[in-house]
Amino acid sequence: EIVLTQSPGTLSLSPGDTATLSCRASQSFSTNFLAWYQQKPGQAPRLLISGVSSRATGIPDRFSGSGSGTDFSLTISRLEPEDFAVYYCQHYGSSPLYTFGQGTKLEI
Amino acid sequence: EVQLLESGGGLIQPGGSLRLSCGASGFTITSYVMGWVRQAPGKGLEYVSTITGDSVHTYYADSVRGRFTIYRDNSKNTLFLQMNSVGAEDTAVYYCARRQELRAFDLWGQGTMVTVSS
Repeated sequence: EIVLTQSPGTLSLSPGDTATLSCRASQSFSTNFLAWYQQKPGQAPRLLISGVSSRATGIPDRFSGSGSGTDFSLTISRLEPEDFAVYYCQHYGSSPLYTFGQGTKLEI
Repeated sequence: EVQLLESGGGLIQPGGSLRLSCGASGFTITSYVMGWVRQAPGKGLEYVSTITGDSVHTYYADSVRGRFTIYRDNSKNTLFLQMNSVGAEDTAVYYCARRQELRAFDLWGQGTMVTVSS
């Protein structure tokens, strides 16, 4: 069973800064089935990145994903006020089929 | 417009049953793996269940297997989640979601709240 651990739990930054969010898997996996979501209070999650590094439709290029093996990251450059939210990573595997990290809160 | 709209949530007593619905518009659900993801109050996201486009395969999280059933009505372009023998641990916002080819959920509904309490 793969467990995803996100760090830090909370990240405090200012508009214009660059945020780097980490997602570490308990086991290495060879597929590229790693995604990132953004969730704002009272809203549904929104897909940002799939396949480790592919931006979803309409996602600005300030958002980028990278990583392999057990270590993955989401980088948000030139933070804008609307970027402050909770971010989740998600993996597709065998058991469980879909695993989410516990989330990183990006706050001003 | 491409969207998902859930309904059917509410207050239910422990041990009871509830059926959630998710109507899709702007696309055909038979072309996608569809699923449910839930979020307990103040908590993170938890996978619940998915169903393949042909409805041949269904998958469940261990926490709901044997109690929940996912199915679809293709004629109505609607996804369902039948919830039986619910407990307090099932209290959450339930999101319907569409899965894309890279195994991520690219379209989400607004969610429907299920509260299990006596």
